[in-house]
Amino acid sequence: GIQVEQSPPDLILQEGANSTLRCNFSDSVNNLQWFHQNPWGQLINLFYIPSGTKQNGRLSATTVATERYSLLYISSSQTTDSGVYFCAVRPPQGGSEKLVFGKGTKLTVNP
Amino acid sequence: NAGVMQNPRHLVRRRGQEARLRCSPMKGHSHVYWYRQLPEEGLKFMVYLQKENIIDESGMPKERFSAEFPKEGPSILRIQQVVRGDSAAYFCASSPLAGGGAFFGQGTRLTVV
Repeated sequence: GIQVEQSPPDLILQEGANSTLRCNFSDSVNNLQWFHQNPWGQLINLFYIPSGTKQNGRLSATTVATERYSLLYISSSQTTDSGVYFCAVRPPQGGSEKLVFGKGTKLTVNP
Repeated sequence: NAGVMQNPRHLVRRRGQEARLRCSPMKGHSHVYWYRQLPEEGLKFMVYLQKENIIDESGMPKERFSAEFPKEGPSILRIQQVVRGDSAAYFCASSPLAGGGAFFGQGTRLTVV
C-alpha cells in the first residue's frame, strides 16, 4: 500500500520562528489533508490540498502531486501551535475512501 | 453547523466488558469512517460506512469489533470482550461525498483496566 513519510519527526522552536514540515508519499493520490492534533488530543483540519497552494493566516500549504510531496509552512509560530501535525492521503485505487496517515511531526514551541 | 460529534469522550471498561462508541456525522454528510490511534502513533483506518452499508472494513480486527451506521441514529463502533490492547483513542470522521475531504470528531479515549 501507499507509504506516507513525514519529516522531521520532532521539531522544537522558539516563539516567533518559522518552520517547514514535509510529507512525502509513494504513489499518486486523490486527496491530501493536513491536520493538527493539539495537546488535548483534538484533531483539527488545517488544509484539504490535493494539489496547489493554500493559505490560512500564518499557515500555508503546497502540494506538488507530480513529485509526490506536500509542505506545511508555519510562520511566526506561537505556543498554541504546539502539538502533532499529521499528513494524510487518499490513494485512488480500489474505490476505498480511507485516509492513510503519516506518523506525524511533533512540534514544540517554547515561549 | 455542528461538527462531528462523538460520545462518550472518555470510556473506562474492565477486561471482558463491551464498549460502545457513538458518532453523529456532520449535517449533510452520509459517509462515516472510524480510525484508531494507539499511544504515540498515527491514526489507522478501521472501517468506512454509508447509511446501512459497510463499504470497506479492511482495517477492522477480525474478531470482537463491529460497526454499523443505521438509517436513523448515529454510527456505532462496538468492541466486545475488551482487552488491554484495545486501549486507544477512537476517532470518527465524516464527509459529504466520496473523496470530499474528511472532518474528524474529538475522539473517544477508551481505557481498559
